Amino acid sequence: DSGVTQTPKHLITATGQRVTLRCSPRSGDLSVYWYQQSLDQGLQFLIQYYNGEERAKGNILERFSAQQFPDLHSELNLSSLELGDSALYFCASSVRDRYFLSGNTIYFGEGSWLTVV
Amino acid sequence: DAKTTQPTSMDCAEGRAANLPCNHSTISGNEYVYWYRQIHSQGPQYIIHGLKNNETNEMASLIITEDRKSSTLILPHATLRDTAVYYCIVSGETSGSRLTFGEGTQLTVNP
Repeated sequence: DSGVTQTPKHLITATGQRVTLRCSPRSGDLSVYWYQQSLDQGLQFLIQYYNGEERAKGNILERFSAQQFPDLHSELNLSSLELGDSALYFCASSVRDRYFLSGNTIYFGEGSWLTVV
Repeated sequence: DAKTTQPTSMDCAEGRAANLPCNHSTISGNEYVYWYRQIHSQGPQYIIHGLKNNETNEMASLIITEDRKSSTLILPHATLRDTAVYYCIVSGETSGSRLTFGEGTQLTVNP
């Protein structure tokens, strides 16, 4: 158990709909990351937040957005869903943001399976 | 981020040591070598990381060459539960904290 909690574990929704994925980071971790893993693309970095502020953006579509709340949990919002958005969405957390004093280990949750039908 | 090269797949007999190589010839001085593994659609699991020195923890050992251009992850006594995709990732200050995953090595531990 990494200590990173993601809900829901599984979600089935229709095209055009909107969903919200939730992540609770490990206790004490200030950074939250979102990754997408689809069958044909591997693990892709989407976005990172640190203490409520956006830190880095990766291959995140404009239809997707995220935020990190004062209690440090994070939500990933996926809208106007398409069949190709079906994937595993992972949240991860770490103590630091981008400064490497002794490395910055990132711990992953178990993911949210999204199926768009 | 420095690019890494790993074999696509490897086999290992149960109980034997599994040695997973990784080339990272363009690694820069401040970049760490991280190893993660993913067991069939579970969340990636952190194994170990290092900068220059060899590292060991309860899961594995990491051997980094003196020129830091390659490394080897060693699972000393592989079990069937070690069957997974193993990712070698180089990450440092220029990449922030994010990890860039490649294709990894599919390790299959056979009985």
